[in-house]
Amino acid sequence: EAGVTQSPTHLIKTRGQQATLRCSPISGHTSVYWYQQALGLGLQFLLWYDEGEERNRGNFPPRFSGRQFPNYSSELNVNALELEDSALYLCASSSRRNEKLFFGSGTQLSVL
Amino acid sequence: GESVGLHLPTLSVQEGDNSIINCAYSNSASDYFIWYKQESGKGPQFIIDIRSNMDKRQGQRVTVLLNKTVKHLSLQIAATQPGDSAVYFCAENGEEYGNKLVFGAGTILRVKS
Repeated sequence: EAGVTQSPTHLIKTRGQQATLRCSPISGHTSVYWYQQALGLGLQFLLWYDEGEERNRGNFPPRFSGRQFPNYSSELNVNALELEDSALYLCASSSRRNEKLFFGSGTQLSVL
Repeated sequence: GESVGLHLPTLSVQEGDNSIINCAYSNSASDYFIWYKQESGKGPQFIIDIRSNMDKRQGQRVTVLLNKTVKHLSLQIAATQPGDSAVYFCAENGEEYGNKLVFGAGTILRVKS
């Protein structure tokens, strides 16, 4: 069984550009979560999608947005990139709300 | 449950010894707790979970203890191996968090051979 897959593995952008990160959950999982992990820091919750709807949002500005598609895959979009957006972006999926999350390997976003 | 900075606590243990990693969680109403292991360049990997109606749960070489009175969670690793070297995160979940996992800052475990 394939795990959570994220693409691209690495992404380099410049300030002001837009970034799109993609995630495919484990087959059968309907919930997708996005977390930001800055260097040396813990995981900060960004967004939670379930059954195509945004269910919860972390304390991030509106330029962080996303969506979930009918096949439960998800996209995270970051507009007007800032230097401090440089981080590892982790996607996770779960089969039920409040159950354990399975993480992908992340997308390393570097903003120059 | 929010990370606080670059200086993660570090636990150094000798190979073969037992390790105990501690975590103070934030919300007394949290009802679900998880431990994750994160190796360099990888995403967090599930280790073990426990619900608030239990105070102890055992897995393969790992035990999680929950003390709700003092809001404390611990992970015990028996016969620690070099492959256990990683950053360990505890996470809590509850309705007050809007049903999302909130992660602690993490602890670095270094296993000396």
